[in-house]
Amino acid sequence: ETGVTQTPRHLVMGMTNKKSLKCEQHLGHNAMYWYKQSAKKPLELMFVYNFKEQTENNSVPSRFSPECPNSSHLFLHLHTLQPEDSALYLCASSPRTSGSSYNEQFFGPGTRLTVL
Amino acid sequence: RKEVEQDPGPFNVPEGATVAFNCTYSNSASQSFFWYRQDCRKEPKLLMSVYSSGNEDGRFTAQLNRASQYISLLIRDSKLSDSATYLCVVTGFQKLVFGTGTRLLVSP
Repeated sequence: ETGVTQTPRHLVMGMTNKKSLKCEQHLGHNAMYWYKQSAKKPLELMFVYNFKEQTENNSVPSRFSPECPNSSHLFLHLHTLQPEDSALYLCASSPRTSGSSYNEQFFGPGTRLTVL
Repeated sequence: RKEVEQDPGPFNVPEGATVAFNCTYSNSASQSFFWYRQDCRKEPKLLMSVYSSGNEDGRFTAQLNRASQYISLLIRDSKLSDSATYLCVVTGFQKLVFGTGTRLLVSP
């Protein structure tokens, strides 16, 4: 099993649709992350979960709703998105978050989202 | 000022060349530093952590200068397979902050 998996790999949705992105990690990690990567921009951290508790919401619009039912699974629920939300959404995991000292993060392959 | 700044490149070098990337960061409280590699349309993968004393891994050498708040990555004897985008990553306030990346193209 690969370390971090994401489904779907590609998603095209209309602005009125509701969809969910799924991430699963098989590494026994306790921290999981959602990032957004747009063209010509650095990775933007969206959410951090540590031991299933959300510890960071980086001013993300409410049309993005994360869910972390356990330390191995992370979801990103999407509704009423805008075309500018089109991007690569990457999930990552690490053993833990600990103050300002972070362990290596392992990334999934990402979901390439297009909002029409 | 951006939290992490990198020259976007691209750096075009021939096989066998030595190439160096620099990255500056603004948060003097940052404690952890990394270089990630991202291939086209793929996810970022850790290339190496950067330690205060500097560290080397084969053809790759990373160095940290806390006083000037920059880190560097040196690649010796470039291979075609080194073509990728190299992301500088620094710990911010309870999070990792990524640079936009420096694109490297190694040609035959």
